[in-house]
Amino acid sequence: DQQVKQNSPSLSVQEGRISILNCDYTNSMFDYFLWYKKYPAEGPTFLISISSIKDKNEDGRFTVFLNKSAKHLSLHIVPSQPGDSAVYFCAASAILGGKLQFGAGTQVVVTP
Amino acid sequence: DTGVSQDPRHKITKRGQNVTFRCDPISEHNRLYWYRQTLGQGPEFLTYFQNEAQLEKSRLLSDRFSAERPKGSFSTLEIQRTEQGDSAMYLCASSADPSETQYFGPGTRLLVL
Repeated sequence: DQQVKQNSPSLSVQEGRISILNCDYTNSMFDYFLWYKKYPAEGPTFLISISSIKDKNEDGRFTVFLNKSAKHLSLHIVPSQPGDSAVYFCAASAILGGKLQFGAGTQVVVTP
Repeated sequence: DTGVSQDPRHKITKRGQNVTFRCDPISEHNRLYWYRQTLGQGPEFLTYFQNEAQLEKSRLLSDRFSAERPKGSFSTLEIQRTEQGDSAMYLCASSADPSETQYFGPGTRLLVL
């Protein structure tokens, strides 16, 4: 039962442009949403999070948008840099400090 | 380095053998989580602890899997009678309480031959 879905397995974007990653979820009990970045042979690295009481959170080049009615969130990276090339995972939790449920990930490639 | 550490980083074993992995969380993080990741998938939750208490276990965690956190600090994950399907990356994460943010270690890659 995949409750968090990332329907785009890959994304290619030019350096300097905006990267937009999408995530959909089915469980209306989710209250906390996170994005992680993962390089090969490393553990996921936390990027940014948002709780269900907000619709936007921004941290430097990263902005996460949450649309609760559509059960959809997105991550915007502006401007994209070569070091952003990685797999990005969307994750959600129903309880503060509880287990995370992850999407399958989106491979981002930033080209010069 | 004050991040989450895991040992070993890699483990190759033969089917039927037992393996044990260790995770050291970030100091003073009282929550510790275990996940498993296979190729092309996101991490899947296995179990988590608050201090030494195991609060939740996934249905993925068969009776061949056992996790402990005896003193509320480091944790071990043991797999008995390993099967080829156990081959995966085993990830540990920790978080402060209360927080939604979990910080992951580098993982232990297990290969069962």
